[in-house]
Amino acid sequence: QVQLQESGPGLVKSSETLSLTCSVSGYSIGSGYYWGWVRQPPGQGLEWIGTIHHSGSTYSNPSLKSRVTVSLETAKNQFSLRLTSVTAADTAVYYCARDLGYGDRLDYWGRGTLVSVSS
Amino acid sequence: QSVLAQPPSVSAAPGQRVTISCSGNSFNIGNNYVSWYQQLPGAAPKLLIYDNNKRPSGIPDRFSGSKSGASGTSANLDITGLQPGDEADYYCGTWDDSLTSLVFGGGTKVTVL
Repeated sequence: QVQLQESGPGLVKSSETLSLTCSVSGYSIGSGYYWGWVRQPPGQGLEWIGTIHHSGSTYSNPSLKSRVTVSLETAKNQFSLRLTSVTAADTAVYYCARDLGYGDRLDYWGRGTLVSVSS
Repeated sequence: QSVLAQPPSVSAAPGQRVTISCSGNSFNIGNNYVSWYQQLPGAAPKLLIYDNNKRPSGIPDRFSGSKSGASGTSANLDITGLQPGDEADYYCGTWDDSLTSLVFGGGTKVTVL
């Protein structure tokens, strides 16, 4: 059974960088699939952030692209998200998920982690 | 405002049927597979339907998906035999070729009366 778990600071200061890690168990992320990040502001809907292929190629939401970096750490079976120059609008629950690629489907999700941006 | 349009809420009595619509265009639903996700209160989203109408292992056949509309630019999620445990938010999602982005609907809250 594939399991994912997000980790990282729950509070980030405005204008700084948000960094999250997703630890995967039950599957070796370097073996296949895409791995992605989705966020959900409090009381709102889902927003896709970005995705990385097991080969290391990435693609991200055009509205966030200039601020987003998704990377793989295959030795640790983890992948990470960096979002720069955060503002209050980046306050959200951040989810990592296994992605079948290009909108196909997100079939396994982490439980999510709330990140608040403070001024 | 979401790229995919969903009704904010639907409701029905236990045992009844509800249909949730997801409206898009030729760049998204009209040209790509649609997935549906169920988000129970306080929980992460869960894949319910993929490739328009397929169910992952463990999803009961009370949940079904389809595409509709003359140009296939809309999708529907049907829930039959509604149960109290079905109270949740439901999201449709697909790839948008024009935006080059995975897009979601705004979500529909299902209430069991």
